[in-house]
Amino acid sequence: ETGVTQSPTHLIKTRGQQVTLRCSSQSGHNTVSWYQQALGQGPQFIFQYYREEENGRGNFPPRFSGLQFPNYSSELNVNALELDDSALYLCASSFGTSGIGYQETQYFGPGTRLLVL
Amino acid sequence: DQQVKQNSPSLSVQEGRISILNCDYTNSMFDYFLWYKKYPAEGPTFLISISSIKDKNEDGRFTVFLNKSAKHLSLHIVPSQPGDSAVYFCAASANNAGNMLTFGGGTRLMVKP
Repeated sequence: ETGVTQSPTHLIKTRGQQVTLRCSSQSGHNTVSWYQQALGQGPQFIFQYYREEENGRGNFPPRFSGLQFPNYSSELNVNALELDDSALYLCASSFGTSGIGYQETQYFGPGTRLLVL
Repeated sequence: DQQVKQNSPSLSVQEGRISILNCDYTNSMFDYFLWYKKYPAEGPTFLISISSIKDKNEDGRFTVFLNKSAKHLSLHIVPSQPGDSAVYFCAASANNAGNMLTFGGGTRLMVKP
């Protein structure tokens, strides 16, 4: 069974640029969630994709956008990068259902560390 | 407004003794709680979870206790081992909120040999 993988591992960008981060979900999982972890803090939810549709969004501006592909892999895109976007970006996959009452355990990848200069 | 809080940023314990990590939450809609362990340069690793219909869940050396009336959960590690040294995050989700996880700020556990 393959775990969650993310690419790249590290990235340096300058303010105003755009970045795309990638995530491959664990086999058998159909849901991908993205989190931002600033230094010394817990991860913060950005958004979640279930079967290629956005299924929830945290308190992040529209310049944070995402995609999920038919094989359930996902991309996180950030436009107009700001210095405060420097963080560890974590992807988590889970097996979700459309039904109410199912509680998912999310499994995380190693993260992509983004530095914005 | 922090909905999940871990008030102890760090904890030091002797090898073989019990480690108790605490977590408080404010949102009464949370119905699923998880603990993750994180080593430097790695993503969080799932440890153990508990549903709000239970008050205890045990898995080997790890036990999670949930006190819904106090909106408090704790993770007990017995016996503690040096390899347990890591940052521990508690997280909570509400089934009616798309299963997004809300994390606490983490507690750094150091287990001394």
